[in-house]
Amino acid sequence: GIQVEQSPPDLILQEGANSTLRCNFSDSVNNLQWFHQNPWGQLINLFYIPSGTKQNGRLSATTVATERYSLLYISSSQTTDSGVYFCAVRPSGTYKYIFGTGTRLKVLA
Amino acid sequence: NAGVTQTPKFQVLKTGQSMTLQCAQDMNHEYMSWYRQDPGMGLRLIHYSVGAGITDQGEVPNGYNVSRSTTEDFPLRLLSAAPSQTSVYFCASSYSGGGDTQYFGPGTRLTVL
Repeated sequence: GIQVEQSPPDLILQEGANSTLRCNFSDSVNNLQWFHQNPWGQLINLFYIPSGTKQNGRLSATTVATERYSLLYISSSQTTDSGVYFCAVRPSGTYKYIFGTGTRLKVLA
Repeated sequence: NAGVTQTPKFQVLKTGQSMTLQCAQDMNHEYMSWYRQDPGMGLRLIHYSVGAGITDQGEVPNGYNVSRSTTEDFPLRLLSAAPSQTSVYFCASSYSGGGDTQYFGPGTRLTVL
């Protein structure tokens, strides 16, 4: 089955720093989403981005489906950005979503 | 809209007991799914449904049953609980399974002793 790998696994930043999170997948996909799981366990949608680039405030994402990766950019990080970031993909021809292993981000004040 | 709701929030079971985790959505979404999240790990798909009356297995279906008699509800049944099923369970929904944003419920934390 498809493999979904995220890097780095852990990241510690000072408030105000920028960061790039990566999601690699091993097969073609029809759907890709980024989620933030906050310290209370809630999963929050960030982007639905099967291809192209989107921006929402300090966050932006780019998916290059032909090269099988997606990037999540966080600029001017804040302590509220702390948590775990997941990408989830839906392989072509299925309705099954596969989650990556996550990047655990801690932003220090 | 309440979005995706799950009950209960917490549950403790003894090995061998059965129970049903409830999930409901009020957004008229066709696609619903159940995931489990073990400590320090990502989410793994248990079962999913693309519409009322249609269900299918995900990555880790063993020990769980589902049914989808209405668009709104998608209960998950544990037939005979085992300690390996200790986990946090999330329900999610989207307008369709084809290409839409998934919305997640708050989760149910289950402990099996």
